Amino acid sequence: GAGVSQSPSNKVTEKGKDVELRCDPISGHTALYWYRQSLGQGLEFLIYFQGNSAPDKSGLPSDRFSAERTGGSVSTLTIQRTQQEDSAVYLCASSADSSTDTQYFGPGTRLTVL
Amino acid sequence: AQTVTQSQPEMSVQEAETVTLSCTYDTSESDYYLFWYKQPPSRQMILVIRQEAYKQQNATENRFSVNFQKAAKSFSLKISDSQLGDAAMYFCAYKGQTGANNLFFGTGTRLTVIP
Repeated sequence: GAGVSQSPSNKVTEKGKDVELRCDPISGHTALYWYRQSLGQGLEFLIYFQGNSAPDKSGLPSDRFSAERTGGSVSTLTIQRTQQEDSAVYLCASSADSSTDTQYFGPGTRLTVL
Repeated sequence: AQTVTQSQPEMSVQEAETVTLSCTYDTSESDYYLFWYKQPPSRQMILVIRQEAYKQQNATENRFSVNFQKAAKSFSLKISDSQLGDAAMYFCAYKGQTGANNLFFGTGTRLTVIP
C-alpha cells in the first residue's frame, strides 16, 4: 500500500513569509507525528496527533509553529513569519497506534528560508 | 528526558565485511522499544530493525542484527556482508512504553561502504 507522503518536496521562502507543509499518513493510521531535522542533526520531535485527542504540542519551538489534522487523516504544519533558523527538513511519520507500533516516515520537506 | 547517544559520527566498511554501529541510551523505564532507522540521501527514514526491551532475544532481520544489553543500556547494530546499498546515515531511536509517544533519536552515524 501507499506510504506516508509529504508535499512539497522542497520549499524555498523569504524570511517573514508563512509556509504550509502537508502530510498524508498511511491509510488507517491513527497516530501522526511531525519531526524536524536540522543540518547534520538527529530528529527533533515537534507535535503528535492521536485520533480525536488533543495533540501533544510539547515539542513546538515557538508560537510561530502550529499544526492541525483534519478528519483524522491529512495534517498541515504551518510556520508563520519564517526565520532563517527554521531551515531544515520536516519529516512526518504515522503509526497504526501510538502505544507500541513502529513509526513509518515520509520523504520529508526541505525548507530553506532566505 | 530520555537521551540516545551515538558516539561514532562516521564509520566505514569494506564491501562484504561486517560492521557494528554503537548506541547507548538513558532511561528509568523498564519497558520500552528501540529502533534502528536508515536514512539514505533520498531523506526517507527506513526502519531497519526493532527491539522490544522485554524480549531477551536479540532481533534479526536478514543481514542486520542487534546486540541488546539491557543492563548496560546498549543497543548496537551489526551489518553483515555489507553492500553498497547499505551506505547511509543510521539513527538509533528510543520509545518508552509510557509517557511521551514520540521517538527520541541519536545524532546518527554516517556509514560508508568501500567497494
